[in-house]
Amino acid sequence: GESVGLHLPTLSVQEGDNSIINCAYSNSASDYFIWYKQESGKGPQFIIDIRSNMDKRQGQRVTVLLNKTVKHLSLQIAATQPGDSAVYFCAENIAGGTSYGKLTFGQGTILTVHP
Amino acid sequence: EAGVAQSPRYKIIEKRQSVAFWCNPISGHATLYWYQQILGQGPKLLIQFQNNGVVDDSQLPKDRFSAERLKGVDSTLKIQPAKLEDSAVYLCASSPPLGVTEAFFGQGTRLTVV
Repeated sequence: GESVGLHLPTLSVQEGDNSIINCAYSNSASDYFIWYKQESGKGPQFIIDIRSNMDKRQGQRVTVLLNKTVKHLSLQIAATQPGDSAVYFCAENIAGGTSYGKLTFGQGTILTVHP
Repeated sequence: EAGVAQSPRYKIIEKRQSVAFWCNPISGHATLYWYQQILGQGPKLLIQFQNNGVVDDSQLPKDRFSAERLKGVDSTLKIQPAKLEDSAVYLCASSPPLGVTEAFFGQGTRLTVV
């Protein structure tokens, strides 16, 4: 079936560097995308989202880019900190309406930030 | 605002036994989801409730899994009988009834079937 996938399973960076986590999706009908951060022993935590009518959205230290032409999503983290170390998941939604929590998740990327 | 509450945090059972997980969503959140997260994978949706009704249970293994949300608030997910491959973290999430907003996840229940 259609699914969301990630190019890189692990990413290791130095504190202060910028991090880029990539994600490919295959369902062209998806219209809502979310990045979640998951720390060990915790549930996924919302980072940032973007709708399909946008190609860029910025938050605090994070930016999500959406390229619908190639079905690619990326998460950029500026000035990465040790506290950013976690597994990052992209997820897509096609249900909309009252079902924005109905998500298809990718496998995840492990981000490790070295002091 | 209190988050999504789940219990227990951990559970170890033998195969063929039964187990139940409990979820209390954020107050006022009409939509509730149960996800299964196998180690090393992203969460996979099992079932979605809107108030006390099932919206989507197409990915729920109904021969052994069941879920209910009788009063439209708390929910229970049950597995009977459990198999080794059911070992996973079971996550509950909730979202408000209207508007574009993300789902909020609980900490999950880690199930180990031995």
